[in-house]
Amino acid sequence: DAGVTQSPTHLIKTRGQQVTLRCSPKSGHDTVSWYQQALGQGPQFIFQYYEEEERQRGNFPDRFSGHQFPNYSSELNVNALLLGDSALYLCASSGRWSSGSDEQFFGPGTRLTVL
Amino acid sequence: RKEVEQDPGPFNVPEGATVAFNCTYSNSASQSFFWYRQDCRKEPKLLMSVYSSGNEDGRFTAQLNRASQYISLLIRDSKLSDSATYLCVVNVNTGRRALTFGSGTRLQVQP
Repeated sequence: DAGVTQSPTHLIKTRGQQVTLRCSPKSGHDTVSWYQQALGQGPQFIFQYYEEEERQRGNFPDRFSGHQFPNYSSELNVNALLLGDSALYLCASSGRWSSGSDEQFFGPGTRLTVL
Repeated sequence: RKEVEQDPGPFNVPEGATVAFNCTYSNSASQSFFWYRQDCRKEPKLLMSVYSSGNEDGRFTAQLNRASQYISLLIRDSKLSDSATYLCVVNVNTGRRALTFGSGTRLQVQP
């Protein structure tokens, strides 16, 4: 049973560019959350998707957007990249929304470097 | 004030030692509590959930004090493999399932 998968593993971009990160949730999970983890910090919640809609959003600007597909996979898009966007981007999936479970399983992350 | 605060450490302890980590959270509406473990350059992995009655999993014991808004993790008989960053996590479950992480406490167990 595959866990949460993310692609790519590493990415280098320059300021002003746009980036798309991808995530496939754990089998049987329908909710995907995205987190940003800067060096030396804990992960910070960006947003959460369920039934192809953004359900919750953390304190991140509109440059951060996302999408969820019918197969529950998800994308995170960041426009107009800033140096401060350099971080590990983590995707987490959780069980059926109806279960009420808040246990989340994390993917290996995408390490984004903005030069 | 941060929503979840932890002592960043590092805690340097010898093998076999007992070590305790503490964490405080600011939102009294928080309803779910967890400890996650994160190895260097890896993803966080759930170590254990924390319940009001306290819970134990082998060498690990977690406690929650809702009145003081305080969570603890005790590791007994430390192993070299316990070296990692331990993240205190809460969920203010007001209809959402977004986790709020502390900055983590780094543990280095030495031979």
